[in-house]
Amino acid sequence: NAGVTQTPKFQVLKTGQSMTLQCAQDMNHNSMYWYRQDPGMGLRLIYYSASEGTTDKGEVPNGYNVSRLNKREFSLRLESAAPSQTSVYFCASSEATPGLYSNQPQHFGDGTRLSIL
Amino acid sequence: ELKVEQNPLFLSMQEEKNYTIYCNYSTTSDRLYWYRQDPGKSLESLFVLLSNGAVKQEGRLMASLDTKARLSTLHITAAVHDLSATYFCAVELNYGGATNKLIFGTGTLLAVQP
Repeated sequence: NAGVTQTPKFQVLKTGQSMTLQCAQDMNHNSMYWYRQDPGMGLRLIYYSASEGTTDKGEVPNGYNVSRLNKREFSLRLESAAPSQTSVYFCASSEATPGLYSNQPQHFGDGTRLSIL
Repeated sequence: ELKVEQNPLFLSMQEEKNYTIYCNYSTTSDRLYWYRQDPGKSLESLFVLLSNGAVKQEGRLMASLDTKARLSTLHITAAVHDLSATYFCAVELNYGGATNKLIFGTGTLLAVQP
């Protein structure tokens, strides 16, 4: 009963390093999402993927890239990490179908705590 | 641009008291979600509100949605310590069609004191 699994759980990077955050879901969901959570700002959508093979920008996409590798997996890449990207990153998935309203909530992973020095 | 505002941002409650958290949003939407987050943990879905006038209740929590006023409320009845957490509302973007993208409020940190 894993749900949404994120790896790693913690990571410390130096400025300029690159890294990929991994996310996998086992609920056969169509849609997947990446958020960042910063103190006092709630969660902000970075990118999302409405279905396998498609991705779309969210509120704060600059400095990030994503890959929807297959229906299960959605990765987030930081090509050249900056201190401003220090945050907690959450991956989520939902049953939502493109073009149709979702009547189900998004399911969240446990998060990746990322510090960039 | 859709903005979602919650108030209060911090709420210190006494046990057995009642209180309400408000979630206001700036543009049309008829899908609103409430989540709970414990410190250092993931987000847990509480309620899905799908239409104007929707009301959902679970234990001491009750959520409602007024799409005309662009307002949702989360009412806490007779608070207990176990309800201490951060509560988020999230509104689905709606620009003439479903996007399934959520815009979150900043959260309300609820601390229930004995």
